[in-house]
Amino acid sequence: AQKVTQAQTEISVVEKEDVTLDCVYETRDTTYYLFWYKQPPSGELVFLIRRNSFDEQNEISGRYSWNFQKSTSSFNFTITASQVVDSAVYFCALSPQNVKTSYDKVIFGPGTSLSVIP
Amino acid sequence: GAGVSQTPSNKVTEKGKYVELRCDPISGHTALYWYRQSLGQGPEFLIYFQGTGAADDSGLPNDRFFAVRPEGSVSTLKIQRTERGDSAVYLCASSLKGPGGVETQYFGPGTRLLVL
Repeated sequence: AQKVTQAQTEISVVEKEDVTLDCVYETRDTTYYLFWYKQPPSGELVFLIRRNSFDEQNEISGRYSWNFQKSTSSFNFTITASQVVDSAVYFCALSPQNVKTSYDKVIFGPGTSLSVIP
Repeated sequence: GAGVSQTPSNKVTEKGKYVELRCDPISGHTALYWYRQSLGQGPEFLIYFQGTGAADDSGLPNDRFFAVRPEGSVSTLKIQRTERGDSAVYLCASSLKGPGGVETQYFGPGTRLLVL
């Protein structure tokens, strides 16, 4: 089965706090890609990061960091020193790579709604 | 540069009517995807085009839904005999799809469809 679980439906934090959004995925494919997208109130999905299954190195981009652990099938996202502009729904997504197909079907999790309170 | 655009941004229709939703992908992107996002949920895949052909339409819920991309650029999602359950945000995405490669999908702002 191909599935993405984001157990946290809603999170509220006070500005400047750190927050981690959890993502757990399931796939039988050995090659796959993981993504995080941000969906602000305006509705447009904004791409944040893509990571392939062979690269478990953690990544940091400004206040954002991602922790990929293949052993636990998790790809968690941390925002450091949160800001009000970080308020949005965040989606984790999985793209299994099947050599028999030639495209990247993306399976989205249900999303985590983050509210950053001033 | 210009991103993915979708028109209309909002569409209100009555049950049983026919609607068309349009997507203009990023220039040069060969792959185009349609998703449907219901309230409080993540986007669900509907159909994927590589060029002019529908490479995978397994996500279309039934035969009332159809999509075309006649010239390999703009795509239209068509819904016949709309039902209240079709109400959702319809998202379009495009990617620069090369042979054997994985490319990130970039999303448009969506069309919010409300069927009364």
